[in-house]
Amino acid sequence: SQQGEEDPQALSIQEGENATMNCSYKTSINNLQWYRQNSGRGLVHLILIRSNEREKHSGRLRVTLDTSKKSSSLLITASRAADTASYFCATDKGGKLIFGQGTELSVKP
Amino acid sequence: GAVVSQHPSRVICKSGTSVKIECRSLDFQATTMFWYRQFPKQSLMLMATSNEGSKATYEQGVEKDKFLINHASLTLSTLTVTSAHPEDSSFYICSLDRGDTEAFFGQGTRLTVV
Repeated sequence: SQQGEEDPQALSIQEGENATMNCSYKTSINNLQWYRQNSGRGLVHLILIRSNEREKHSGRLRVTLDTSKKSSSLLITASRAADTASYFCATDKGGKLIFGQGTELSVKP
Repeated sequence: GAVVSQHPSRVICKSGTSVKIECRSLDFQATTMFWYRQFPKQSLMLMATSNEGSKATYEQGVEKDKFLINHASLTLSTLTVTSAHPEDSSFYICSLDRGDTEAFFGQGTRLTVV
């Protein structure tokens, strides 16, 4: 399978805590993207990090990329109940996205 | 940014019938669009690459005669699920690629075959 792996598969935390999700992939990449999906709905783009970047921030989100280890992490700080969703990493291969298996995040109020 | 409109958002059809899903690029001429499928509690899997004016490229294991893709213009790609069966029930979503930027996704279509 070309799919990457994400861990944990499920994460349950309390509001205010930080959530960290990890993603590993198999091939060389142009960029790696993180998406959010609320239950049964479309995808929301969160962050794109290019292969020559190591870290990127957007609001409460922080993404790191380690191309030597073929891994990335997404950190959500000061989580809110509204952050409850599934989070996917995806590697870009000539426009095609290869998605990780996803992390289901539950933030309890 | 580009806006992608996908229609319908939900469809229920009888087994054996065909269903067409449309994916429109509203402000970008898309020579290439992608179709993904997502089964419940699973990740998204690329089904095929839709190429304007030429045949679609299907991923391994995807039946091209069952999932017909037509990309007749730079703003419209359609996916037709032919002779649908309950196992085709899934979430189908399209995207367009604008080069080295994030992908732009449609809203998705939840297909239920009864």
